[in-house]
Amino acid sequence: SQTIHQWPATLVQPVGSPLSLECTVEGTSNPNLYWYRQAAGRGLQLLFYSVGIGQISSEVPQNLSASRPQDRQFILSSKKLLLSDSGFYLCAWSPGLTNEQFFGPGTRLTVL
Amino acid sequence: AQRVTQPEKLLSVFKGAPVELKCNYSYSGSPELFWYVQYSRQRLQLLLRHISRESIKGFTADLNKGETSFHLKKPFAQEEDSAMYYCALLGMDSSYKLIFGSGTRLLVRP
Repeated sequence: SQTIHQWPATLVQPVGSPLSLECTVEGTSNPNLYWYRQAAGRGLQLLFYSVGIGQISSEVPQNLSASRPQDRQFILSSKKLLLSDSGFYLCAWSPGLTNEQFFGPGTRLTVL
Repeated sequence: AQRVTQPEKLLSVFKGAPVELKCNYSYSGSPELFWYVQYSRQRLQLLLRHISRESIKGFTADLNKGETSFHLKKPFAQEEDSAMYYCALLGMDSSYKLIFGSGTRLLVRP
């Protein structure tokens, strides 16, 4: 069966520090991968998605970037965090041939 | 523009009362719509999709193209239904990305 992992589960970082959040999927190949941010009162905002290795699409201009170095690995990064980057980050995958997305446990990021 | 609107941030009902979580969408074409749910300390997960026309945990949702709505309903709410509910619309390209509403927190009181 397929599983999706995210780490770390929680992270507290100072403003201006770098960021790297990792997401991996097991039990499937060539998944579509997604990064969302879940902000209080604002629902889920799609940040990036990827339909294949090295293929990244950005949905909103921001301080973050994403990479997909391997088929089942999706990384969310920043060179210098801002206070506004605080939030709950969710990774998701879908088979690409169906519409359901499967979500990871999320990472709670607090920027101080 | 593709958009999903959930007008209620919080819906509070008593156990046994009917529930309707509202969702309206903006989409040019035939939409594919979903309801996702997030229970406390659990992952966000799919509850139901309109193309399946199924009832999950007593919830149903009917697509009304005339009113561009996809409201989630349950005739008798249970305490375990308390959760965050998100309505989502499938985007128009091949990425299969979902466009989510802002969510409604359902609180079912005993």
